[in-house]
Amino acid sequence: AQSVTQPDIHITVSEGASLELRCNYSYGATPYLFWYVQSPGQGLQLLLKYFSGDTLVQGIKGFEAEFKRSQSSFNLRKPSVHWSDAAEYFCAVGETNAGNMLTFGGGTRLMVKP
Amino acid sequence: DVKVTQSSRYLVKRTGEKVFLECVQDMDHENMFWYRQDPGLGLRLIYFSYDVKMKEKGDIPEGYSVSREKKERFSLILESASTNQTSMYLCASRTVYGYTFGSGTRLTVV
Repeated sequence: AQSVTQPDIHITVSEGASLELRCNYSYGATPYLFWYVQSPGQGLQLLLKYFSGDTLVQGIKGFEAEFKRSQSSFNLRKPSVHWSDAAEYFCAVGETNAGNMLTFGGGTRLMVKP
Repeated sequence: DVKVTQSSRYLVKRTGEKVFLECVQDMDHENMFWYRQDPGLGLRLIYFSYDVKMKEKGDIPEGYSVSREKKERFSLILESASTNQTSMYLCASRTVYGYTFGSGTRLTVV
């Protein structure tokens, strides 16, 4: 069975600083990988996804993520964080042969200092 | 855009009550899901449905059931609510392009 680990439960960065959120997955085949963001009181919004092809994926709101098969990682990055990026971020892996059911990591809560 | 609507944002129910959480999607999607979200545990799949009247257990189905009588509506049922079912519940609908989530229902069982 697949699993997703987000090692950082909380991260605090200063506004304008760069950001990297870590995600490691366990899956036997090539996974479908996703990053979602959840603002307080809201549902989850898709930031970006990786299915195949270029391992550097661009998403919305200036985010990008890089799939590294050798490290089983799919880390999320942003060069300059804005105060509005404060939220909880979830990495997820989907099965390629089971209706793409998602398994989620535990989430990383991002706080942004002024 | 696909819209997934959960009828209640906040619910407070008593222990032992039967609770219905409703979810409606407006894009004729076949696949729908119910997750619960708890701090530090991320989202865990309770049940999913890939067609009308079809349902499959997810990772934590105990204490829950579901109903899918129409394609657009997927209901989560707590047969006898307990305090350990206090949580945020998220419904999602899926296409080949990804998932769309509802805004969630925060359920408190007292």
